[in-house]
Amino acid sequence: GQQLNQSPQSMFIQEGEDVSMNCTSSSIFNTWLWYKQDPGEGPVLLIALYKAGELTSNGRLTAQFGITRKDSFLNISASIPSDVGIYFCAGRDFGNEKLTFGTGTRLTIIP
Amino acid sequence: DTGVSQDPRHKITKRGQNVTFRCDPISEHNRLYWYRQTLGQGPEFLTYFQNEAQLEKSRLLSNRFSAERPKGSFSTLEIQRTEQGDSAMYLCASSSAGEQYFGPGTRLTVT
Repeated sequence: GQQLNQSPQSMFIQEGEDVSMNCTSSSIFNTWLWYKQDPGEGPVLLIALYKAGELTSNGRLTAQFGITRKDSFLNISASIPSDVGIYFCAGRDFGNEKLTFGTGTRLTIIP
Repeated sequence: DTGVSQDPRHKITKRGQNVTFRCDPISEHNRLYWYRQTLGQGPEFLTYFQNEAQLEKSRLLSNRFSAERPKGSFSTLEIQRTEQGDSAMYLCASSSAGEQYFGPGTRLTVT
């Protein structure tokens, strides 16, 4: 099935650094979502975006819905150890229930 | 805990056996989804229920797979004649016309 392209595939950072990742699609979505998944667990919803150009924050996380509707970005400021995990973007088309997920960005914090 | 629950969390089976997984959604969520996630990939949509009606099925859902939600509450996903390629994490999510919240998943290993 289709998977959205996420970049980078993995990141190795030090605690306290800021993180940026993005997600691109060949088709338009009218909702963009960001989830975080820990090993052996299901994805947990972080942020939902509903309008092109929208910028939404959730604590240290900020996400943007790209103007073209074909991309989205997630930033994490001042990373902490519990930020470690895999971040997935997901898109949903208008009138469609299914989510199309990205390939994931694995975040590792180097001691 | 009132989140989505899945049972069992892990299942090891031999090729050719049938397996059944259960999902209990967040109470009063009328929409229920099944996704499959293989190692290193994002979740892929399998099927979706609104109340007891199965409204959408992915082409990934071969004729060996069947999902039910008989009373519009819990759902079961059955895989008949399992194959090694069925090894994956099977995720359930629920919503009430809002965003999807995922359960912890059932990890299936077919030997």
